[in-house]
Amino acid sequence: NAGVMQNPRHLVRRRGQEARLRCSPMKGHSHVYWYRQLPEEGLKFMVYLQKENIIDESGMPKERFSAEFPKEGPSILRIQQVVRGDSAAYFCASSPGKRSTEAFFGQGTRLTVV
Amino acid sequence: DQQVKQNSPSLSVQEGRISILNCDYTNSMFDYFLWYKKYPAEGPTFLISISSIKDKNEDGRFTVFLNKSAKHLSLHIVPSQPGDSAVYFCAASQNAGKSTFGDGTTLTVKP
Repeated sequence: NAGVMQNPRHLVRRRGQEARLRCSPMKGHSHVYWYRQLPEEGLKFMVYLQKENIIDESGMPKERFSAEFPKEGPSILRIQQVVRGDSAAYFCASSPGKRSTEAFFGQGTRLTVV
Repeated sequence: DQQVKQNSPSLSVQEGRISILNCDYTNSMFDYFLWYKKYPAEGPTFLISISSIKDKNEDGRFTVFLNKSAKHLSLHIVPSQPGDSAVYFCAASQNAGKSTFGDGTTLTVKP
């Protein structure tokens, strides 16, 4: 899974700041999934994007969270006005097609809100 | 409403013995099931999967069993090795869409 690159690996933000998490999919992959893992829990689906399109955002909180996957460049998960409850590990997975069952995960970004 | 449940948070086995990790699901529309292995500070790594049209899939030391009537699947690791110590996540999907994960089982294999 080293092919999916997430950065930064660790991110510390103060309450009220913005957090930007980046995900570069594996070469040739045009589908990206974002998951969040809270402590002692499993991964929870947030959003599924294809190049320039949001396909499924049913897991995204209604406020403060947004995601994009532009034609050029990495996918970005943006969290505005972070709160302590946003502290978690955020994982990105990419796949060559629609089948998320063939997705490869990145190493994650650990966000800590202080 | 947790649709995928791993009721055992942890499991400890002796090296060389069998490890059995269990997973239950509630959504009968799930048609594909996966097991992932995760080490600390790393992303999940795909281990093995099974389609709902099968009841068993084997890959080396790893075998996944699916009991659709009971909505239950299990991962068997034989023989267990210390390097297998990790968190194992069960996941399920519908129509190859997003995966729904369980909370994980921490497996410890003692030498």
